[in-house]
Amino acid sequence: SQKIEQNSEALNIQEGKTATLTCNYTNYSPAYLQWYRQDPGRGPVFLLLIRENEKEKRKERLKVTFDTTLKQSLFHITASQPADSATYLCALGDPNAGNNRKLIWGLGTSLAVNP
Amino acid sequence: ETGVTQTPRHLVMGMTNKKSLKCEQHLGHNAMYWYKQSAKKPLELMFVYSLEERVENNSVPSRFSPECPNSSHLFLHLHTLQPEDSALYLCASSQVLAHSTGNTIYFGEGSWLTVV
Repeated sequence: SQKIEQNSEALNIQEGKTATLTCNYTNYSPAYLQWYRQDPGRGPVFLLLIRENEKEKRKERLKVTFDTTLKQSLFHITASQPADSATYLCALGDPNAGNNRKLIWGLGTSLAVNP
Repeated sequence: ETGVTQTPRHLVMGMTNKKSLKCEQHLGHNAMYWYKQSAKKPLELMFVYSLEERVENNSVPSRFSPECPNSSHLFLHLHTLQPEDSALYLCASSQVLAHSTGNTIYFGEGSWLTVV
């Protein structure tokens, strides 16, 4: 079955640097991949979606790439700020889960941006 | 403010109690969801409703009982829960069923449930 692996270790970076988070999947290519941000004690908030036929998506300081050969998505935050500190989740749309109803979630990577 | 409101934010209940979690979405969406989030585990989809009809029930124990009286409201009725059911319960909505379309899912702030 499809599995997602995100950096299990927390990522600590200095303010102003680029944060890069990884989402690897193990099986078939998903129809799309989403990234969400979750702050402690709160629900996830949608950030970006990238579809299987897209290589890259950008939104302000955020950039997502999707490499179906490597079975990997990278999530970049440029010019990082302490306010970017949160847990970032990736989720895959699973085309094989009956009527395409399954969204597979990763455990998330905790990012801390130090001032 | 995501447009999805959950109450209560925190709930402590005994194993013999009956309680309910409430969710309301103000986004005009047609699909609503219950998710469970536990430490060290990915988000677990529990129930999916589309236009008030349950379309997914992912092998959730019967001590959890959902109710969707209309497209804006979703309840999760809880009875005879176990301590291992303690978790963050997240309600969410999307314009249409999200999983096949990639539609954005809008989450509420969650209800922290502790079963003692």
